[in-house]
Amino acid sequence: QKEVEQNSGPLSVPEGAIASLNCTYSDRGSQSFFWYRQYSGKSPELIMFIYSNGDKEDGRFTAQLNKASQYVSLLIRDSQPSDSATYLCAVRTKWAAGNKLTFGGGTRVLVKP
Amino acid sequence: EAGVAQSPRYKIIEKRQSVAFWCNPISGHATLYWYQQILGQGPKLLIQFQNNGVVDDSQLPKDRFSAERLKGVDSTLKIQPAKLEDSAVYLCASSPFIRGDYEQYFGPGTRLTVT
Repeated sequence: QKEVEQNSGPLSVPEGAIASLNCTYSDRGSQSFFWYRQYSGKSPELIMFIYSNGDKEDGRFTAQLNKASQYVSLLIRDSQPSDSATYLCAVRTKWAAGNKLTFGGGTRVLVKP
Repeated sequence: EAGVAQSPRYKIIEKRQSVAFWCNPISGHATLYWYQQILGQGPKLLIQFQNNGVVDDSQLPKDRFSAERLKGVDSTLKIQPAKLEDSAVYLCASSPFIRGDYEQYFGPGTRLTVT
C-alpha cells in the first residue's frame, strides 16, 4: 500500500467550475498535510497546508482534512485555465530525527476554457 | 531573496557513466533535501541534511548514489554508475528548520536522461 495515494487523473473541469482533488494516507501518526502545485517542467510550489480537522480556506483554494478517515482534499473554486497543473499531496510524519515529507503521485488537472 | 540554485539543468549520459549534480540552498537554510522525481510520479526523498549532517538517507541507493554537504551550505549528489532507471528529475529543496512546518523551497531541478 502506498503511503500517500492520489488519483492520477487527468481531472478535466470547465472554466469557472469547482475542481475537487482527493488524497488518502496510511500513517495515522501523520501530523500535517500540504498541497503543492507543479506546472509541467517546473518544480513544486506550495499552495497551502492544513493541520487540524475541518476546512481551511485561502482565496479560491480550500483544503479539507478528516484524520479519522485519513483523507485530505483540495477544492479549487472558479477554476481558471492557469490552474491546469499537477497537484501533489504531501504528508508530514514525525520521526526520531525530525520530520519526513512523503508525496503522493499527483493529480493532473486540466481546466478547459 | 535568491532561490535554490541547481546545476546543470539538463544532463544526458550513457548507462554506466557517472554524473554529479550541484545545489546551493537559500542562504541561512539549515535543512537541505534531494528528491528524485520520475516522470508521472511524485517526488521521492533521497537524502536529507541538517547543516552538514545526514538526517535521513533511508531511500538513497547507496551502492550507486552518494551525497555530501560541505560546510553545511552547498551540496552535491553523485550517481556512479548510472542505470537507465535513474532517468528522472533531481530536485533540491531547502527549509529553515527541520522541525515544525516550514515550507520547503524547491530548486528548478536537473533533468537526467540515461541512454
